[in-house]
Parts: sequence; C-alpha cells; structure tokens
Amino acid sequence: DGGITQSPKYLFRKEGQNVTLSCEQNLNHDAMYWYRQDPGQGLRLIYYSQIVNDFQKGDIAEGYSVSREKKESFPLTVTSAQKNPTAFYLCASSIKGSGANVLTFGAGSRLTVL
Amino acid sequence: AQSVTQLDSQVPVFEEAPVELRCNYSSSVSVYLFWYVQYPNQGLQLLLKYLSGSTLVESINGFEAEFNKSQTSFHLRKPSVHISDTAEYFCAVSDLGTGRRALTFGSGTRLQVQP
Repeated sequence: DGGITQSPKYLFRKEGQNVTLSCEQNLNHDAMYWYRQDPGQGLRLIYYSQIVNDFQKGDIAEGYSVSREKKESFPLTVTSAQKNPTAFYLCASSIKGSGANVLTFGAGSRLTVL
Repeated sequence: AQSVTQLDSQVPVFEEAPVELRCNYSSSVSVYLFWYVQYPNQGLQLLLKYLSGSTLVESINGFEAEFNKSQTSFHLRKPSVHISDTAEYFCAVSDLGTGRRALTFGSGTRLQVQP
C-alpha cells in the first residue's frame, strides 16, 4: 500500500538534545511538507520541498532543519535552538507543489521534551 | 500574508442535527480551498476541495461547502450529523497570488456529536 510513514510515533527528548523525525513516502510525490500542530493553533508550516535538493522555509522554521537528498525522504531535525519543541509533527506530500494538489498526511510524531 | 480563521474552536451538536463549521480567509486573488478532517491521534484526511467551477462542493459522506468570494468564506455544512463525525475539522487555503506552494491552515474546529 502506498502512503507516508513517520517514525518514531512517540519521542522523548531532554532539553539541549537534537532529534530527527523520519518521513518516508512511496507515492512518487514530488512535494513534501512538515507541519507542527499545537492545541488551538492548527497546523503551522515549518518547511516544504517541491523537488529533490531544494526546500523552502515556512512560517516557523527557526530551530528546525531539513534535507531532501532523496525523493522518498524528508527528515526533520528539531535542534536545541527550538525554544518550545513539544508538539505533534505531521509530514505530508503531494504529487506536485502547485497548491491545487491534495496533501497526503502521515500519522504524525509526538515529541515531548522532558 | 494569507490567513484562515475558523471562528468556532468547538461545536457541540446532537446526533441527526444540522451543523455548520465556519471558515473565512484573507486573500485578494484567486485561491484554492480545502477542508480536512482529523480523527484522534491520526494525520489529516481530505474531506472536500474547491479549485474552480461550481461554488458548491460535496463530499462522499454528506458534507458540503460553499465558496463565497464576496464574503471570503468557505463554510462546511452537514444536514444531519452522526456520532462518527466527531473529529477535528481544518479549513485550508492555497493563495495563487503568492509564490508559496503550501497550504495555510486554520486553527481547527472540534465537532462533538452527542447522542
């Protein structure tokens, strides 16, 4: 079955540590996205990538980094510079990054900073 | 910058009653509009979308939304809700006037259907 796999589902981190969230898709989609979800704030865009080896900052990119070395993979690193990293992180993809295309979402990764 | 406003954070409703979830967006040019649904601890799933053509769009499970350009709204409606409709609903917009090729989401409305 085609889809998006996010791992880990739950992650605990101590303050000052970097963590990397994995996002893999087998849909042959060109575009991939990372959103952060907090209660009452909806989804906020962190980074997105329309093509391999290219990505753009979203609305809340500070304290995060990404790479897009392969079409299937778009990992997100939450660095120690992110002041409030506890959140639910959602990865998504679309056929093209045209804005008209439907997003397919993964099941999410919940990060808790202890 | 484009923004999406969902005026109600929670909407409690009894089963078989009608419901409307409100969504307004800010944009001065053409947009694509979407409604997504999220069940607990899951990702989001597309409910329906407006790209062009008829301003009334429908989903397979009885929801409909109407694009109103003059009021910059895209409210979601269902004439009779079921317990299984309990979920969080997100309105999203893609603004064709910007170079941004990613959706902007509203803050979400939690629909709570009671028996």
